[in-house]
Amino acid sequence: AQSVTQLDSHVSVSEGTPVLLRCNYSSSYSPSLFWYVQHPNKGLQLLLKYTSAATLVKGINGFEAEFKKSETSFHLTKPSAHMSDAAEYFCVATGTASKLTFGTGTRLQVTL
Amino acid sequence: DAMVIQNPRYQVTQFGKPVTLSCSQTLNHNVMYWYQQKSSQAPKLLFHYYDKDFNNEADTPDNFQSRRPNTSFCFLDIRSPGLGDAAMYLCATSREADSNQPQHFGDGTRLSIL
Repeated sequence: AQSVTQLDSHVSVSEGTPVLLRCNYSSSYSPSLFWYVQHPNKGLQLLLKYTSAATLVKGINGFEAEFKKSETSFHLTKPSAHMSDAAEYFCVATGTASKLTFGTGTRLQVTL
Repeated sequence: DAMVIQNPRYQVTQFGKPVTLSCSQTLNHNVMYWYQQKSSQAPKLLFHYYDKDFNNEADTPDNFQSRRPNTSFCFLDIRSPGLGDAAMYLCATSREADSNQPQHFGDGTRLSIL
């Protein structure tokens, strides 16, 4: 069985400051990991994915994430937040038949 | 260009009145999924099709059915909607049922029950 834990339900940052959204996973095998973003009344958009290649993964809109097996973490970062980054972020692991195991989500608020 | 299209974006129905939600895709993906997402929660998988093979999640109520008449279209039928079925319904696709394949989501249909 696998599980995904997003350590913060809400994160608030000022525009132009770094973003860190934390995610830990538990799996009996090396999973594929994804970060998705969901803006209000929208579907989920893929930000980036890790599939056992490079441990530092670059995604869209300046986001990146680093897979750390020793820490079972896959934290999402961005050097400088923009107002348009305000959204819900989901850390996701995949198992069999590409079924997704979702974290509970982190709501990112960006203030002026 | 939208690749996974859900219609309508907002649907209102009456308690107990059957409703059908629609999803189409231009990606020619083999797998199509339906999720239910309630407020401030992660999406919950209801079922998925691999090609024509239907795969129901064990805890999906019998009230929820699905049809996939061809590769491009998939429908979610709610036979007798209850107040607890009010939610956002998300359709997603993936090329294969493979853990490395990301899923591509539509913008969802928000269902309200009167």
